[in-house]
Amino acid sequence: EDQVTQSPEALRLQEGESSSLNCSYTVSGLRGLFWYRQDPGKGPEFLFTLYSAGEEKEKERLKATLTKKESFLHITAPKPEDSATYLCAVVYQDNDMRFGAGTRLTVKP
Amino acid sequence: DSGVTQTPKHLITATGQRVTLRCSPRSGDLSVYWYQQSLDQGLQFLIQYYNGEERAKGNILERFSAQQFPDLHSELNLSSLELGDSALYFCASSTGEYVEAFFGQGTRLTVV
Repeated sequence: EDQVTQSPEALRLQEGESSSLNCSYTVSGLRGLFWYRQDPGKGPEFLFTLYSAGEEKEKERLKATLTKKESFLHITAPKPEDSATYLCAVVYQDNDMRFGAGTRLTVKP
Repeated sequence: DSGVTQTPKHLITATGQRVTLRCSPRSGDLSVYWYQQSLDQGLQFLIQYYNGEERAKGNILERFSAQQFPDLHSELNLSSLELGDSALYFCASSTGEYVEAFFGQGTRLTVV
């Protein structure tokens, strides 16, 4: 069965300390990879869509990249308001969107 | 605001009962997804509809069913409820295949 694995499960950073989150997936007919941000008790908020290896997308302090086996979400100089759970999702040929367990990010001032 | 509307926001019901959750997708979106998120758990894919037809099915229990109506709104029916069904239920919609989906704010179901 196709799998989506995110690491680390939790990440604590100091404000301004850059880092990366990882999302790895099984390679069998990937049609798209998506990054979301989720605050507690709220619905996931869409961040990026990636379709092809080598593709990059950027928004404010976030940058998402995609290779043939994994995606990274780079966070540059994070602020406390970036604290959230970051979710990765993939869509395969059967079109259902499967989510990883997420990385819970805490940014301390 | 994502444009996806879910009602009700909160629901408390007893074991053995049946409830219906409703989702109105963003204007123009043809695809609707349903997810379950239990406390401290990830998003579990339940089912997807595209323009009224079931498109993909995840780990949806036989006690659960869904449908998408001609006006594209969708309903998720949960029956013979158990304590373990307590969770946040999210609906998401997208324009079509292999594109990003936008989520509603969820329905928090509590089974007592």
